[in-house]
Amino acid sequence: EDQVTQSPEALRLQEGESSSLNCSYTVSGLRGLFWYRQDPGKGPEFLFTLYSAGEEKEKERLKATLTKKESFLHITAPKPEDSATYLCAVQKAAGNKLTFGGGTRVLVKP
Amino acid sequence: DGGITQSPKYLFRKEGQNVTLSCEQNLNHDAMYWYRQDPGQGLRLIYYSQIVNDFQKGDIAEGYSVSREKKESFPLTVTSAQKNPTAFYLCASSPLDRGSNQPQHFGDGTRLSIL
Repeated sequence: EDQVTQSPEALRLQEGESSSLNCSYTVSGLRGLFWYRQDPGKGPEFLFTLYSAGEEKEKERLKATLTKKESFLHITAPKPEDSATYLCAVQKAAGNKLTFGGGTRVLVKP
Repeated sequence: DGGITQSPKYLFRKEGQNVTLSCEQNLNHDAMYWYRQDPGQGLRLIYYSQIVNDFQKGDIAEGYSVSREKKESFPLTVTSAQKNPTAFYLCASSPLDRGSNQPQHFGDGTRLSIL
């Protein structure tokens, strides 16, 4: 059975304090790993897709990396506007279905 | 602007009542999805559809029904058989995957509560 586990569940950071979020996955035949950002009361907003081990993607203060068993989302010098829940999801080799992790709630205090 | 519109934003259900959540997209996407989100549990797939007049059950389809009569629309009915319907419901769409992973795009959700 496909499983996606995100840690920590919650993260409190001071503005400028860099940190990393973890997404561990067990899936037979990974086709892609997706990162989303979700603000309270809103739908998830797409951030990145990673396809193969060793791949990295960057957007502003966010950088996502992928290994064969996990992905990391690094937040460099975060600002209060980076406060959100970050979700990762995996897609198997066949089909469009995504399996989501439980998310990491990030709060960045000024 | 292209996007996904979910309505209503808030919905209340009485005991024994069926309610229907609307989802419309103007992105010309073939595939559409319904997810349920409970606190701390991430998103779980209820139903999905890859083409008009066809849909498949997801992981938690019991107590729900859908239809796909038009490409743009994928309404979800929460039936009285769903005993714990209180949740945040999210609709998504994507192009059909033809070898280049396309991300799913989400609406802003409907929050359903029991009266």
